[in-house]
Amino acid sequence: DTEVTQTPKHLVMGMTNKKSLKCEQHMGHRAMYWYKQKAKKPPELMFVYSYEKLSINESVPSRFSPECPNSSLLNLHLHALQPEDSALYLCASSQRESSSYNEQFFGPGTRLTVL
Amino acid sequence: AQSVTQLGSHVSVSEGALVLLRCNYSSSVPPYLFWYVQYPNQGLQLLLKYTSAATLVKGINGFEAEFKKSETSFHLTKPSAHMSDAAEYFCAVRTDTGTASKLTFGTGTRLQVTL
Repeated sequence: DTEVTQTPKHLVMGMTNKKSLKCEQHMGHRAMYWYKQKAKKPPELMFVYSYEKLSINESVPSRFSPECPNSSLLNLHLHALQPEDSALYLCASSQRESSSYNEQFFGPGTRLTVL
Repeated sequence: AQSVTQLGSHVSVSEGALVLLRCNYSSSVPPYLFWYVQYPNQGLQLLLKYTSAATLVKGINGFEAEFKKSETSFHLTKPSAHMSDAAEYFCAVRTDTGTASKLTFGTGTRLQVTL
């Protein structure tokens, strides 16, 4: 299984809602990532987990809360989002974070719309 | 900080013509460079990666890239474009900071293939 899966594919939420994005991989990878991608822009790194511990937080607002319950799962909890948070949220994984030959495998993304 | 610059936000070629997408890097140490492709409403797929083993790197779907240290470039080429190559292409560099690492993407190049 060489796939990263993300659910849901699409999500529409109001500014007062609480929702979660889910990412799963079964490749035995020990590093997992969340990216945010606005239309016609490159992905921007949000968080990195290495061995289920948060190792990078790119100064992301606290209304985004990541969680890594185990080595295969990565969640992104959303609360009190703003319309400008509407974007494609991509999850990725790699064998381990600091390997020289690491490559990241991306999921298909969750298209989030905040009303 | 390491970075990549992609020249040309939009490239249009005829089917069967040479594809050349440009990427220049800025790095004080040997970089780890990647090319990713993104089809509409999908995640990113790795095309190829440079890991210093060879300067000419062959990837999937007939793409290749040549690492030129003298020009600080890692341009992506394909001898003959196909309609299915139409997509967004991102060059990326991997930055290591202690035990953490992250990908920094260029601004992307949209490839259009015409009949």
